[in-house]
Amino acid sequence: QKEVEQDPGPLSVPEGAIVSLNCTYSNSAFQYFMWYRQYSRKGPELLMYTYSSGNKEDGRFTAQVDKSSKYISLFIRDSQPSDSATYLCASIQTGANNLFFGTGTRLTVIP
Amino acid sequence: NAGVTQTPKFRVLKTGQSMTLLCAQDMNHEYMYWYRQDPGMGLRLIHYSVGEGTTAKGEVPDGYNVSRLKKQNFLLGLESAAPSQTSVYFCATKGAGAGQETQYFGPGTRLLVL
Repeated sequence: QKEVEQDPGPLSVPEGAIVSLNCTYSNSAFQYFMWYRQYSRKGPELLMYTYSSGNKEDGRFTAQVDKSSKYISLFIRDSQPSDSATYLCASIQTGANNLFFGTGTRLTVIP
Repeated sequence: NAGVTQTPKFRVLKTGQSMTLLCAQDMNHEYMYWYRQDPGMGLRLIHYSVGEGTTAKGEVPDGYNVSRLKKQNFLLGLESAAPSQTSVYFCATKGAGAGQETQYFGPGTRLLVL
């Protein structure tokens, strides 16, 4: 079983839709949870970063962590064509060196 | 402030050839990492360094060597390239200290081994 599992999609939505991206993880020691966005032929860039359980909001983006079910979510409101990218979830234990990534979900927002 | 840079951007090798990928950072980060990204496999850690002069193996280290002679540079070497090493390679850096768990990535190096 992979440390972090992510539905690879692809996911295609119309402009303005609410997007929900999800991951599950297996290691209960994970404390930090991240979402990276990766445009085609570019490196991953950090989008959101949360510690432990709860919600974090940044503009149109909301990251949610439920440690009881080991579930990580990213919601995008009012999705834009510029949001079209691959979204990677990642998790790590405090003080550890190995950041575990999901395989990524490719999102396309259609104008 | 360039952040994390990688050289070269793209390279084609023949089986058995060697090459070195360079990662450079101006973020004064202690930790540096080399990942490879393959379709359906996600990002996998090859080697990492927790400071100048240190290196350690990650999840998929076989066929690769690394060196961290200077804090700002992390080199990834392929001594005898194989087609299975065709991939996109990313370098990442991270600061030390509590709460600094976020890794910052370079733009990647695309490697094709024929």
